[in-house]
Amino acid sequence: DQQVKQNSPSLSVQEGRISILNCDYTNSMFDYFLWYKKYPAEGPTFLISISSIKDKNEDGRFTVFLNKSAKHLSLHIVPSQPGDSAVYFCAASGGYGGSQGNLIFGKGTKLSVKP
Amino acid sequence: EAGVAQSPRYKIIEKRQSVAFWCNPISGHATLYWYQQILGQGPKLLIQFQNNGVVDDSQLPKDRFSAERLKGVDSTLKIQPAKLEDSAVYLCASSLGRLNTEAFFGQGTRLTVV
Repeated sequence: DQQVKQNSPSLSVQEGRISILNCDYTNSMFDYFLWYKKYPAEGPTFLISISSIKDKNEDGRFTVFLNKSAKHLSLHIVPSQPGDSAVYFCAASGGYGGSQGNLIFGKGTKLSVKP
Repeated sequence: EAGVAQSPRYKIIEKRQSVAFWCNPISGHATLYWYQQILGQGPKLLIQFQNNGVVDDSQLPKDRFSAERLKGVDSTLKIQPAKLEDSAVYLCASSLGRLNTEAFFGQGTRLTVV
């Protein structure tokens, strides 16, 4: 049973436009959410995070929005650049006991930004 | 600051053979993770260490997988014997603490079992 879902395997946008990547989760114990970017043959790179006490976190061109009632978060990239082309993973952590701190990942969304 | 180091980068073995992966985390990071990423999937946690103690190994197939983190720094992950379905990228990650903090990943080891 997938606790973190990224329902769009791929997304294509034009350079300069906004990219919106979506993520849904089912576990209400999750209290910390992260986005990672992954280029081929490299490990995931941390991009931005948000705590469940917030509904928005911004870092330069990247903004993450959290809607706890809907168990939904999204990553906005504005403006999109060709170098943003990568696979983006949504991850969540929380819970109790030994599972605290474990990151649960979605399957990823492949973003292609066309010049 | 040096990142998470992993070796080897690539490994091809026959089924039923054994294999070991090595990880050196970022200096000062107490928490270390091993993840398995099968093609087309997100990383899946195998084991979490806090210093040299195991915090969570509930998803580690203990009949064939083992991991240790001696002295709370470097870690090794072993598979013995390997199966075809173990073909994946094995990622090591580390973080300062366990809670509400980002994990930093190494480049991974791509294992192919033939």
